[in-house]
This record gives sequence, structure tokens and C-alpha cells, in this order.
Amino acid sequence: DTAVSQTPKYLVTQMGNDKSIKCEQNLGHDTMYWYKQDSKKFLKIMFSYNNKELIINETVPNRFSPKSPDKAHLNLHINSLELGDSAVYFCASSLNMGGGEQYFGPGTRLTVT
Amino acid sequence: DQQVKQNSPSLSVQEGRISILNCDYTNSMFDYFLWYKKYPAEGPTFLISISSIKDKNEDGRFTVFLNKSAKHLSLHIVPSQPGDSAVYFCAASGRGSTLGRLYFGRGTQLTVWP
Repeated sequence: DTAVSQTPKYLVTQMGNDKSIKCEQNLGHDTMYWYKQDSKKFLKIMFSYNNKELIINETVPNRFSPKSPDKAHLNLHINSLELGDSAVYFCASSLNMGGGEQYFGPGTRLTVT
Repeated sequence: DQQVKQNSPSLSVQEGRISILNCDYTNSMFDYFLWYKKYPAEGPTFLISISSIKDKNEDGRFTVFLNKSAKHLSLHIVPSQPGDSAVYFCAASGRGSTLGRLYFGRGTQLTVWP
């Protein structure tokens, strides 16, 4: 009964491909997030959704497109993958968008060759 | 521009002793601070938090201290146990443009040896 789950855990693909990462939370939270941890280990927010509505969209290439079919799911689609997209992507959720603790998934390690 | 800094990439402590992890921040809008623990190949796990209206919060072996004037917080673990060995991330959130975002430090690798 994992609280925040992501699939796949590992993703290896070639430059130029399109790939998706899926996230689901069973905590009943309203707000979900995508974070990226780069090679220097910095964790940075990419997007947040509150009840299916996009709230935060950081300076992220438009090749990255999040989609939230319902408040328990937040997917990340990446078009035309580049070498620099290689990173670990973490999904997270929180009770609402008012701040407070965020609960993270196990991460998806994306390697672009 | 890093708004949350953890200047010690690693810390090694003997089992039973106190571990002190430090964190500094620059943004005055931050009013909520969190510590996360991360094992390899897992996501960060929430450990403890503190609001800026407090200067101390305690949960079992873990205590977080906040010094607002110095823009500094620390996490104390006592007594340290080998299972505490992990990367510890400091994070901050706040009002206005920082609302809803967590700003993370780079992490400190804690190793607790027997």
C-alpha cells in the first residue's frame, strides 16, 4: 500500500525518443508535484498540480508536459529526449497547496543515450 | 542561485553520539523548514519540520533548531544509530512566490559507524 508510487523505476532510452513517467498517490492529497534531481544532486521543482489544475510551471522546456487525469494521478511526458534530460525524477504529493510536508515517490531514473 | 545551503557534504559519527547537520538559507520569505532523509534508490522521506514561529521542534531522537536571525537551522540526532546512515536534505518553503515549492539543499551524507 505504497503512498506515492511511480512507474517505471528505471528508464533507458535514446535521444529523440518520447517517453512517459506515471505517478499515483493514495493519500487523498489534492496537490501533486514533479521534481528533478540532476547529476549534482540538486532537487528542483518542475511542476505542481492542485486538483488537476496546473499551479506551478518552473522554467522547464516545453518538451516536458505534465498531465493530471484526476487528483490522484500526475504523469510526465517528455518529447524529443536529450542527453541533458538524464536525471532522477521524483513525484510528490501534499495535502493541499498551502505548504507543509510533501511525500515523495521512489523516483524514476531516466538515462538518455 | 541556491537559496538553501548545506555546506557539509558528509558527516561521520560514532554510534551513540550526537549527529548535528546544518543548513543555511537566504530567502526571508521562507517560514517553514523541513528535513528529509534519503536512502539510495529511494525517494526522500519526511523526517521533521519546524515553523518559523518556533525555535525548536522535537520528535524522539530528532530535534530541529531554528535561528531566524542567523537564517540557520540544524538537525540533531541523539543517540545516532547505524540505521541513520543516509543523505539528509534540508528544505524550505514560505509565502508569496515560494508558496507550495520546496527549495532543497544539496544534502549531507551521514555515516554512523559502530
